[in-house]
Amino acid sequence: EAGVAQSPRYKIIEKRQSVAFWCNPISGHATLYWYQQILGQGPKLLIQFQNNGVVDDSQLPKDRFSAERLKGVDSTLKIQPAKLEDSAVYLCASSWTGDEQYFGPGTRLTVT
Amino acid sequence: AQSVAQPEDQVNVAEGNPLTVKCTYSVSGNPYLFWYVQYPNRGLQFLLKYITGDNLVKGSYGFEAEFNKSQTSFHLKKPSALVSDSALYFCAVRDSNYQLIWGAGTKLIIKP
Repeated sequence: EAGVAQSPRYKIIEKRQSVAFWCNPISGHATLYWYQQILGQGPKLLIQFQNNGVVDDSQLPKDRFSAERLKGVDSTLKIQPAKLEDSAVYLCASSWTGDEQYFGPGTRLTVT
Repeated sequence: AQSVAQPEDQVNVAEGNPLTVKCTYSVSGNPYLFWYVQYPNRGLQFLLKYITGDNLVKGSYGFEAEFNKSQTSFHLKKPSALVSDSALYFCAVRDSNYQLIWGAGTKLIIKP
């Protein structure tokens, strides 16, 4: 089966600009996660969707970050405006049973 | 509070020798435990999980992990290390919201 797809793989923007990331989960996976991973650290959960509803967005900086999962399939994560500290890898993962999560290759964001 | 600890930032092993990457956890109730591996510039890959049953769990790439309830540990092991095993390894425990609580990661370096 196809894995989790993410695009773009790399993005460089200036601070205060906006950026959007796209994720296509594994077909049939109801749960979708967005993580932020700072170099050398474990992933930090930003938001969790179950189908097209938000389960948890307690760690999402809502003043600048937003995410949606229309129709319960693809999802987009947006940052507006970006700050230097947003430089990180943004990982999307999906899960069917709630057990193991399957991760995409990630988007490496550099904010200058 | 639920937590995961990986006490070693880095583990160095000679090729062909056995390897162990340590993980301890703190959860309420029965733990659902996972190991993931991250190769450079790649997303996280699922290695193995413990839900219930046999304390020795076998996973991908010849890895296995031993669940020890009394010591609240879930150490990752491999009988004979390969240079290609060099990567970043993360231990995680699932909470009641089907979210993963991650360890800080252990860098595994296998020397030829």
